[in-house]
Amino acid sequence: DEQLVASGGGPVKPGGSLRLSCAASGFTLTNYSLNWFRQAPGKGLEWVASITSDSRYIYYADSVKGRFTISRDNAKKSLYLQMNSLRAEDTAVYYCARVLERNWYFDLWGRGTLVIVSS
Amino acid sequence: SYVLIQPPSVSVAPGQTATITCGGRYFGSRSVHWYQQKPGQAPVLVVYDDWGRPSGIPERFSGSNSGNTATLTISRVEAGDEADYYCQVWDSSILHYVFGSGTKVSVL
Repeated sequence: DEQLVASGGGPVKPGGSLRLSCAASGFTLTNYSLNWFRQAPGKGLEWVASITSDSRYIYYADSVKGRFTISRDNAKKSLYLQMNSLRAEDTAVYYCARVLERNWYFDLWGRGTLVIVSS
Repeated sequence: SYVLIQPPSVSVAPGQTATITCGGRYFGSRSVHWYQQKPGQAPVLVVYDDWGRPSGIPERFSGSNSGNTATLTISRVEAGDEADYYCQVWDSSILHYVFGSGTKVSVL
């Protein structure tokens, strides 16, 4: 079965850091760009960051640029999101999702992980 | 940047047709994709590239893109279709993915 599973969420104080992971299984990771999204409680979907299959191109939403870093390790079949300088407004369920190269839609999403930024 | 406008809610009786719109400038030059999200679950792709349907998605789900409006149509609505639906595009001018604000479909 093709699967993405996000982990690493939890409570963190404002200004703190957290690293999320997303484990992939059941498909050839190098055929896909990988992405992070988030959804604040009761709100809609927000794209956070993208990384191409070879890590050559990386894109960030304006709301996280300079604070978050996306990376991947194809050998470990994993995607990461290093989140620094966290703010209350970063509180959300974070999802990972894949995009087949040269496409622009997300055909597989992982179960999310909840990040709560609160003092 | 790109702004996608969706109605907040749509109500429909079982067996009827639900129509969800997504408005944006210059839609004709961009492919629109649609996702279904049920409470507590990750989104699921239901339409890609304006009208494509992923494997496993019922034929009752269809999409179109005309001028400045994209449309997701759910025919013969069932109780299990009750969910939030989001449209999405890739904005190549700013290298960002953009989502609509979402539409809650309620089955009466």
